[in-house]
Amino acid sequence: GQQVMQIPQYQHVQEGEDFTTYCNSSTTLSNIQWYKQRPGGHPVFLIQLVKSGEVKKQKRLTFQFGEAKKNSSLHITATQTTDVGTYFCAGLGSTLGRLYFGRGTQLTVWP
Amino acid sequence: DGGITQSPKYLFRKEGQNVTLSCEQNLNHDAMYWYRQDPGQGLRLIYYSQIVNDFQKGDIAEGYSVSREKKESFPLTVTSAQKNPTAFYLCASGRTDTGELFFGEGSRLTVL
Repeated sequence: GQQVMQIPQYQHVQEGEDFTTYCNSSTTLSNIQWYKQRPGGHPVFLIQLVKSGEVKKQKRLTFQFGEAKKNSSLHITATQTTDVGTYFCAGLGSTLGRLYFGRGTQLTVWP
Repeated sequence: DGGITQSPKYLFRKEGQNVTLSCEQNLNHDAMYWYRQDPGQGLRLIYYSQIVNDFQKGDIAEGYSVSREKKESFPLTVTSAQKNPTAFYLCASGRTDTGELFFGEGSRLTVL
């Protein structure tokens, strides 16, 4: 079945360091979405990428969608303690309305 | 306010009891979803519905049941057949075309 793999599972960084999480799908995706879940909270939509090779930025966050629409990455420049949480990628596959979530990367930032 | 409302936030259940988790949305979304979250496991899809009176099994549907009698509501019943029901349950609604999801705040179920 369709799968979305996400690495690393955990990442611990010192404040100011960069952070990257990667997603890889076994099949071509219609789009890829990224969500952030703060500790004790619920996932919140960050962004959606649709086009092959697309790059989008939100302040210190850079999102990329691969040329083959099978992989994606989220890069945070100069992390802050407010970036703490779990970041999930989710790919929209061939089944309409069905998102396939990665297992998430739990980011810890120490001051 | 527009959004997704889940209730209850916390629920305790004795083994052998069924329990129903409520999920209501006023975003006028056609699609609704139930996910289960366990530590280190990410989000696992239990059931989803793209239209009223229709729903599909996700990856871990065994021991759960749902109904979709109204567009706004998608309750989840955790039956006594679910072997490890203690978990954090998340409901979401979304657009069928893009798949973007809006999550409720979750319901934490503990089986004693």
